[in-house]
Amino acid sequence: DQQVKQNSPSLSVQEGRISILNCDYTNSMFDYFLWYKKYPAEGPTFLISISSIKDKNEDGRFTVFLNKSAKHLSLHIVPSQPGDSAVYFCAASSANAGGTSYGKLTFGQGTILTVHP
Amino acid sequence: EAGVTQSPTHLIKTRGQQATLRCSPISGHTSVYWYQQALGLGLQFLLWYDEGEERNRGNFPPRFSGRQFPNYSSELNVNALELEDSALYLCASSQGTGVNTEAFFGQGTRLTVV
Repeated sequence: DQQVKQNSPSLSVQEGRISILNCDYTNSMFDYFLWYKKYPAEGPTFLISISSIKDKNEDGRFTVFLNKSAKHLSLHIVPSQPGDSAVYFCAASSANAGGTSYGKLTFGQGTILTVHP
Repeated sequence: EAGVTQSPTHLIKTRGQQATLRCSPISGHTSVYWYQQALGLGLQFLLWYDEGEERNRGNFPPRFSGRQFPNYSSELNVNALELEDSALYLCASSQGTGVNTEAFFGQGTRLTVV
């Protein structure tokens, strides 16, 4: 049961244009969402997060939008740069009853972003 | 400040053997998480240790186990290795467990079972 889904395995974008990566989730208990970026042979690095009490969070070129009613979030990168080429993972967490941690993450399958010069 | 470190970087084992993977969290972090990334799949949660105790585990068989030491470093043990255990194993650590907790990842151990 894939609770977090990234339906686009790959995305190709021209340098300077907008990259939009999408993510859907099914578990309504999730209340904290994150995006991680991963280069080959490295661990994922944190990019940006959003709490379920917000619908938008911005950090420089990165903006995450959350639509709770649709259980959908997206990551916008503007402008895209060749160095942004990597695998992007959407992740979700919650701290529901039963003793868990916001550090325990449920990941999507990842989207390979390629930004062409 | 040193990040999360994992050893070894690569590990090759024969089916049926045992593998031991090690993780040192960021200084001051008490929670350690283990994830498996098999080929073509996303990261799957394996285990969470906090303050020396196993707090939660993912949907993996009991031959996946581990422990956390008093210095908060952690070991992941995989017994009776199977070919499908071949994957990248990632360790992450966090300072807390509440909202806005950020988990920092190591570079991973690539386990190959032949």
